[in-house]
Amino acid sequence: SAVISQKPSRDICQRGTSLTIQCQVDSQVTMMFWYRQQPGQSLTLIATANQGSEATYESGFVIDKFPISRPNLTFSTLTVSNMSPEDSSIYLCSVELGLAGVYEQYFGPGTRLTVT
Amino acid sequence: GIQVEQSPPDLILQEGANSTLRCNFSDSVNNLQWFHQNPWGQLINLFYIPSGTKQNGRLSATTVATERYSLLYISSSQTTDSGVYFCAEATGGGNKLTFGTGTQLKVEL
Repeated sequence: SAVISQKPSRDICQRGTSLTIQCQVDSQVTMMFWYRQQPGQSLTLIATANQGSEATYESGFVIDKFPISRPNLTFSTLTVSNMSPEDSSIYLCSVELGLAGVYEQYFGPGTRLTVT
Repeated sequence: GIQVEQSPPDLILQEGANSTLRCNFSDSVNNLQWFHQNPWGQLINLFYIPSGTKQNGRLSATTVATERYSLLYISSSQTTDSGVYFCAEATGGGNKLTFGTGTQLKVEL
């Protein structure tokens, strides 16, 4: 497995502002992902963070709202822009680790965001 | 699109009881994982099981890929087993996970 950390662990923000969430992993990984979990719901993939190129966004998510950076193989950031109360969610990053043909995803502890 | 349905949605057990959680998926899988989300929100990996059966302590899982379902068995449940259990699948040679609807488990003394 891998040690994955996220900052901040939680935050309360005012509507109209932006928050940048950091994800750090203790080893180099090719694949990193960002997910959103709205209150009482399952997880939904926002985007795949690609090192050296733009992120690949899933349907319903756009770069202007959720800009992502991936400057190297151990770090990524997700920004939630121009926030509204509907953005209140847990945001989680994950990494894919491969060993002997098995590719498994591991998750960071999450960032709990409340927008007022 | 891919659909992953879990049942039951909610489950309350007395400590020591056994349970079976089910995950139905709509397409052939190349990755299926089970996770436990504890009350603090942390997702804990339980099993990587695109096919076959695995066991880890009181937990075991079986995936029948040809019939597109997976089962998670919890034996002798403990209060620390409480939380939400998710299955998630990746299909078509890709690595993007689609999460199921989840089973909320509460184990009482």
